[in-house]
Amino acid sequence: AQTVTQSQPEMSVQEAETVTLSCTYDTSESDYYLFWYKQPPSRQMILVIRQEAYKQQNATENRFSVNFQKAAKSFSLKISDSQLGDAAMYFCAYTTYSGGGADGLTFGKGTHLIIQP
Amino acid sequence: DGGITQSPKYLFRKEGQNVTLSCEQNLNHDAMYWYRQDPGQGLRLIYYSQIVNDFQKGDIAEGYSVSREKKESFPLTVTSAQKNPTAFYLCASRRIGDEKLFFGSGTQLSVL
Repeated sequence: AQTVTQSQPEMSVQEAETVTLSCTYDTSESDYYLFWYKQPPSRQMILVIRQEAYKQQNATENRFSVNFQKAAKSFSLKISDSQLGDAAMYFCAYTTYSGGGADGLTFGKGTHLIIQP
Repeated sequence: DGGITQSPKYLFRKEGQNVTLSCEQNLNHDAMYWYRQDPGQGLRLIYYSQIVNDFQKGDIAEGYSVSREKKESFPLTVTSAQKNPTAFYLCASRRIGDEKLFFGSGTQLSVL
């Protein structure tokens, strides 16, 4: 079974600084997708960024970027110029590519990100 | 606007009672999912369904049941066999062939 591990239960960063959240995963598949979801206090799950395993180029969405290391099975999220609105739980997630991944996403346990003003 | 609607937002269960959580989507998505979220545990998959009248168990299906009689609806019943039902429940859906998962706003279930 696939597993997703987030080793940082909580991280803190000063506003306007850069922070990196770590994620590792275990899989025997070669094609898959990786995601970072944000869950603010409202508890609504919001997709931040996704990465397709067959693409070597790291995904970027405005201030959010990933460092995808396929051989190391590592998928970290970098948040630049941190803002107070970035404070949330962040979940790393994985799904297989075959069949569109209809069997659902596997999530890590999350990292609580605190933004210090 | 298209989306996923979960109701109620808060639900209380008495000892020995079955309760049903509603999930409706108007996105015309084929697949639907139920996740349970406990503090410090992330999201764990309970059940999922790819087509009407068919569903599969996830990692923690014991004490839960589902039905999929209509494409847009995927209700979850928390039965009396589920001894620790207090949690936040999230419903999600996606179009087959698209890896993106869309989530509802969740239901918080508590035991009286």
